[in-house]
Amino acid sequence: NAGVTQTPKFRVLKTGQSMTLLCAQDMNHEYMYWYRQDPGMGLRLIHYSVGEGTTAKGEVPDGYNVSRLKKQNFLLGLESAAPSQTSVYFCASTPGGWGYTFGSGTRLTVV
Amino acid sequence: GQQLNQSPQSMFIQEGEDVSMNCTSSSIFNTWLWYKQDPGEGPVLLIALYKAGELTSNGRLTAQFGITRKDSFLNISASIPSDVGIYFCAGQLPGNTPLVFGKGTRLSVIA
Repeated sequence: NAGVTQTPKFRVLKTGQSMTLLCAQDMNHEYMYWYRQDPGMGLRLIHYSVGEGTTAKGEVPDGYNVSRLKKQNFLLGLESAAPSQTSVYFCASTPGGWGYTFGSGTRLTVV
Repeated sequence: GQQLNQSPQSMFIQEGEDVSMNCTSSSIFNTWLWYKQDPGEGPVLLIALYKAGELTSNGRLTAQFGITRKDSFLNISASIPSDVGIYFCAGQLPGNTPLVFGKGTRLSVIA
């Protein structure tokens, strides 16, 4: 049982490049979330989805886009990466309520 | 956005000592949760609290949901080296909204 899988685990981007982070869950969860973790800032919500085909903005959505075309996948896109987007990105899912299962993270560096 | 004030930011303790950390908010939460993050991993749920005044234990961990529903604390008794990590409080507002996380308490245990 894989749970929540994030790919890639590490990535270095140049300023202005684009990339997509993939989150896949095999638990048939309705809700999925993208958080970013920065030193001393905790986990901040970027975007989330309450079901296939839906997305909503979180606390820090600027510079990111998301898509949930399939229930099991939640994609986070950076169209034009900036150094301020250097962070560790975590995906989480839940069937509903508060029982989040987190992935192991993607460490992104933008130079 | 909503903010949880978590303290202390970091702690260095001797193995065997007890640890206490807490979270406060200006908002009323329906649910309080405590997560632990090991290095290089995503957060894992430790304890969930559902009712004001509730006191819940999980092994050496004890957590309480404050009477006002605006605070929570986590105690760890007789700390051991594997307790090292970052501890996050999280709260859920009414309405099945995404979790709000504190900034974390980084715990170091000196053997």
